[in-house]
Amino acid sequence: QLQLVQSGAEVKKAGSSVKVSCKASAGSFGSHAISWVRQAPGQGLEWMGEIIPYFGTTYYAQKFQAKVTITADRSTNTVYMGLGSLRSEDTAVYYCVRAQVFYGLDVWGQGTTVTVSS
Amino acid sequence: QTVVTQEPSLSVSPGGTVTLTCGLPSGSVSSSNYPSWYQQTPGQAPRTLIHNANTRSSGVPDRFSGSILGNKAALTITGAQSDDDSDYYCVLYMGNGIYVFGTGTKVTVL
Repeated sequence: QLQLVQSGAEVKKAGSSVKVSCKASAGSFGSHAISWVRQAPGQGLEWMGEIIPYFGTTYYAQKFQAKVTITADRSTNTVYMGLGSLRSEDTAVYYCVRAQVFYGLDVWGQGTTVTVSS
Repeated sequence: QTVVTQEPSLSVSPGGTVTLTCGLPSGSVSSSNYPSWYQQTPGQAPRTLIHNANTRSSGVPDRFSGSILGNKAALTITGAQSDDDSDYYCVLYMGNGIYVFGTGTKVTVL
């Protein structure tokens, strides 16, 4: 049974960048997509983008196209989400989640808190 | 950027029934959007309730049901319990690998 384990909390300065990892344990990504979802404090969930690690194909929400880079390392079953030019508005919890069109977003990581300070 | 609308808040009495909806202001939600529904309590990752519009995910109580009602996706809670006091989000698949979350509904059981 696939489990997704994310890297730990980050505190970053405005203008810097961050890279959050999501590792598959007790399973592999197979041919499924891994999406990234963010939730700012007190706000709703936002789908940011996804990667299909098997093919390296990426898709991004329009809002995040210039902001986010999603990559994958199949040798370590790890997906990465890079966020650049950090601003205070990027302070949020970031989740990785397996995405299947039919089954929805069905396996979630535990979330990683990114705090951006000025 | 596509906007998916949900009721900001709804309340239901214990044992009562409440229906949440998920709509596209610019058009209709259909089965080809593969609507899914998620429950989130504070400080926790979301939990998948419904996928493919009307299929309960593994372990989800049968008081949760999904459907497409008219031009919207819907989540109905029948026989609400105090544990159902949560935030609920829908997700629509827009094609070409793109998903969009709804704005979320806070359900209060009182």
